[in-house]
Amino acid sequence: QKEVEQDPGPLSVPEGAIVSLNCTYSNSAFQYFMWYRQYSRKGPELLMYTYSSGNKEDGRFTAQVDKSSKYISLFIRDSQPSDSATYLCAMKFLHGSGNTGKLIFGQGTTLQVKP
Amino acid sequence: DTEVTQTPKHLVMGMTNKKSLKCEQHMGHRAMYWYKQKAKKPPELMFVYSYEKLSINESVPSRFSPECPNSSLLNLHLHALQPEDSALYLCASSQDRGRAYEQYFGPGTRLTVT
Repeated sequence: QKEVEQDPGPLSVPEGAIVSLNCTYSNSAFQYFMWYRQYSRKGPELLMYTYSSGNKEDGRFTAQVDKSSKYISLFIRDSQPSDSATYLCAMKFLHGSGNTGKLIFGQGTTLQVKP
Repeated sequence: DTEVTQTPKHLVMGMTNKKSLKCEQHMGHRAMYWYKQKAKKPPELMFVYSYEKLSINESVPSRFSPECPNSSLLNLHLHALQPEDSALYLCASSQDRGRAYEQYFGPGTRLTVT
């Protein structure tokens, strides 16, 4: 079993739809949860990070962490064709524990938003 | 400014060549990272430098040799690579290793080994 599971998709939605992207994980020691967006042939771009449980909102993007279920989500409201990209979740242990500096990535979900 | 720059953008090299990839950041970050990414896969961590010292080496073959000459610059020296080493090589930085959750990536160098 991988430490972080993410459905690779592809996920295709019409413009304006609400998109839900998800990851599950097995290691309860993860404390930081990140979402990256990667356009084709570009480097990943950090969208947001969350510490421990809860929600975080930034514009059209909302990240949710449910540590009890070991499940994280990224919601995109009013999706646009420019949101078409691969979305990678990533997780990290608390600083001071083993492997400080190492991110554990999901496989990435490819999203296509059709005009 | 959250920019990490990488040169060259593309590189084609033979298996007997020696080449270097360069990464630069001017955000005052003290942790820098090298990743390798194959098509349709997530980035795989190769090396982590913290305050110009190598702190993580993910059992990378010795044909990849990292170097951190100063706090802004990170190099990856390549020698005797194999065709399976063809990939996108990404550099990233963060304020320090503890803040690795806030990493900023460069655009990558697309490497082809012939």
